[in-house]
Amino acid sequence: EAGVAQSPRYKIIEKRQSVAFWCNPISGHATLYWYQQILGQGPKLLIQFQNNGVVDDSQLPKDRFSAERLKGVDSTLKIQPAKLEDSAVYLCASSLAQGSEQYFGPGTRLTVT
Amino acid sequence: KQEVTQIPAALSVPEGENLVLNCSFTDSAIYNLQWFRQDPGKGLTSLLLIQSSQREQTSGRLNASLDKSSGRSTLYIAASQPGDSATYLCAVRWDRGSTLGRLYFGRGTQLTVWP
Repeated sequence: EAGVAQSPRYKIIEKRQSVAFWCNPISGHATLYWYQQILGQGPKLLIQFQNNGVVDDSQLPKDRFSAERLKGVDSTLKIQPAKLEDSAVYLCASSLAQGSEQYFGPGTRLTVT
Repeated sequence: KQEVTQIPAALSVPEGENLVLNCSFTDSAIYNLQWFRQDPGKGLTSLLLIQSSQREQTSGRLNASLDKSSGRSTLYIAASQPGDSATYLCAVRWDRGSTLGRLYFGRGTQLTVWP
């Protein structure tokens, strides 16, 4: 069974630039999550989708971050404009349903200079 | 406020030792608790998932216990090996209706097993 796929794996941008990350969840998983993991900390949920609808985006900085999950499968997370404090690993995860076991992708390491 | 704390932050042991990693959480009304492993530069690998009705789960050399009343979970690793070296993360999901699904993570315990 293929796992959660993410791209790119690494990205370096200058502050005020924009960046986008892509995630392809495990086939059949209805719930998709984006987490931000700052160095030395545990992951923090940014947004959770159930199929193509947003369930929880309470911790998403909406002035600069946006995410979508068209057709209830793949998802993209965008940052525009980026700040230095956005440097982190962005992890995508999926699960069969809300509350069930989550499976994580390899993450995208973002460095903002 | 839901918080997850893990101690110690780092642990270094010789190969072959049995060890315990600790996780504590506020608010005992959890839905489930999940232990993950994270290798440097990689994503998270799920190790064990314990439902709120369970007391423990086992997988190979790993055993995770859950004591909701005291707000604690432990991950027991038997006969540790150098390949067990990684960061271990504890994550809790609270039963909060529409936010069911959000995992609250601790900062992790960085484990080093030396030969």
